[in-house]
Amino acid sequence: GAVVSQHPSWVICKSGTSVKIECRSLDFQATTMFWYRQFPKQSLMLMATSNEGSKATYEQGVEKDKFLINHASLTLSTLTVTSAHPEDSSFYICSARVWGLAGGETQYFGPGTRLLVL
Amino acid sequence: RKEVEQDPGPFNVPEGATVAFNCTYSNSASQSFFWYRQDCRKEPKLLMSVYSSGNEDGRFTAQLNRASQYISLLIRDSKLSDSATYLCVVNQGGKLIFGQGTELSVKP
Repeated sequence: GAVVSQHPSWVICKSGTSVKIECRSLDFQATTMFWYRQFPKQSLMLMATSNEGSKATYEQGVEKDKFLINHASLTLSTLTVTSAHPEDSSFYICSARVWGLAGGETQYFGPGTRLLVL
Repeated sequence: RKEVEQDPGPFNVPEGATVAFNCTYSNSASQSFFWYRQDCRKEPKLLMSVYSSGNEDGRFTAQLNRASQYISLLIRDSKLSDSATYLCVVNQGGKLIFGQGTELSVKP
């Protein structure tokens, strides 16, 4: 299947720091990427849909000014957690959408980034 | 009501057992359905898509009943390596909605 990478794989930072996470599609182009967050013992929750060349679409309850998304190329989307606080500590996972020949779609996930804000 | 609900776990089964996971979804306009597997501290990985006609991949069988908005996954002859959290996932308008997952632990 398609390969999606994320960098960094884990981050520990002080409260108030901004953290940038990169999501790359390695062997394909992705017009659309998605950002999810997963708290311990909970399910993945979609934060936003990132479209190449346009503004991201945020889910209800997700602050767009706090979670900045940039999708400047067909292989890279970035999520910046601005002024991170301990409650932002979570597992952040991106995915890239791939369309199949028959028109169906599949999302391939990156390995995730663990963020711990002290 | 959650959009996608799964059996609460965990399921603890011996090797070789058959185990079934159930899932229901609330939005009848949901377009496609999947089972993902997530290992501890890792990203979810697609196990299989689920079709109305039912589909099988080796020891794994998935079923979809659109009328009752119900999805199932059956694992036969379970292996130690099947231990993971199984996520029921529904595509609604291009967005994936995840169930909370059911943890499976296969013991020797």
